[in-house]
Amino acid sequence: SQTIHQWPATLVQPVGSPLSLECTVEGTSNPNLYWYRQAAGRGLQLLFYSVGIGQISSEVPQNLSASRPQDRQFILSSKKLLLSDSGFYLCAWSVERGGGFSGTEAFFGQGTRLTVV
Amino acid sequence: DAKTTQPNSMESNEEEPVHLPCNHSTISGTDYIHWYRQLPSQGPEYVIHGLTSNVNNRMASLAIAEDRKSSTLILHRATLRDAAVYYCILRDDFLRAQKLVFGQGTRLTINP
Repeated sequence: SQTIHQWPATLVQPVGSPLSLECTVEGTSNPNLYWYRQAAGRGLQLLFYSVGIGQISSEVPQNLSASRPQDRQFILSSKKLLLSDSGFYLCAWSVERGGGFSGTEAFFGQGTRLTVV
Repeated sequence: DAKTTQPNSMESNEEEPVHLPCNHSTISGTDYIHWYRQLPSQGPEYVIHGLTSNVNNRMASLAIAEDRKSSTLILHRATLRDAAVYYCILRDDFLRAQKLVFGQGTRLTINP
């Protein structure tokens, strides 16, 4: 069966420090991968998505970057964190067969709650 | 991306049915209607999806209007555990590379 691992669950980092959040998927191949952020009391903001190794689409210009070094690994990074980077970060995956197959669902990790102090 | 419109919040009582509406007047012929929900402090989870016909699963039912410009997620007998934010999303499953964009959703409160 497919699973998604996201860590750490919580993180407290000082302003100006670097960030690396990792997400890995098991039990599937060539998934679409997504990073979201959710500020306190707000909706889900799509940050990055990837349809393949090395292919990253950025949705919002910001202090963050993403990389996909392997098929089932998605990394969210920052060189210098800002206070505004605090939030709940979620990784998700889906398998997009396209071509008229029935709708596919996305699966989310448990999230990382980042507090920048 | 085709947009959806949902009420910001709804309230219902435990053990009563709940009907969560979603408007998607610009839906295209190949857009599937997906519903997700997000429980407090968790990531979203898939609820149900459909294209034209009404759909049922163990979690909920999805009623799709004949013109497909609106849909309704039906929780037949709400429990306190159904309190969550419910998101209605359109996805074109003919496209390999596509974003998964969430709107603000409907915050459902269940009263005991």
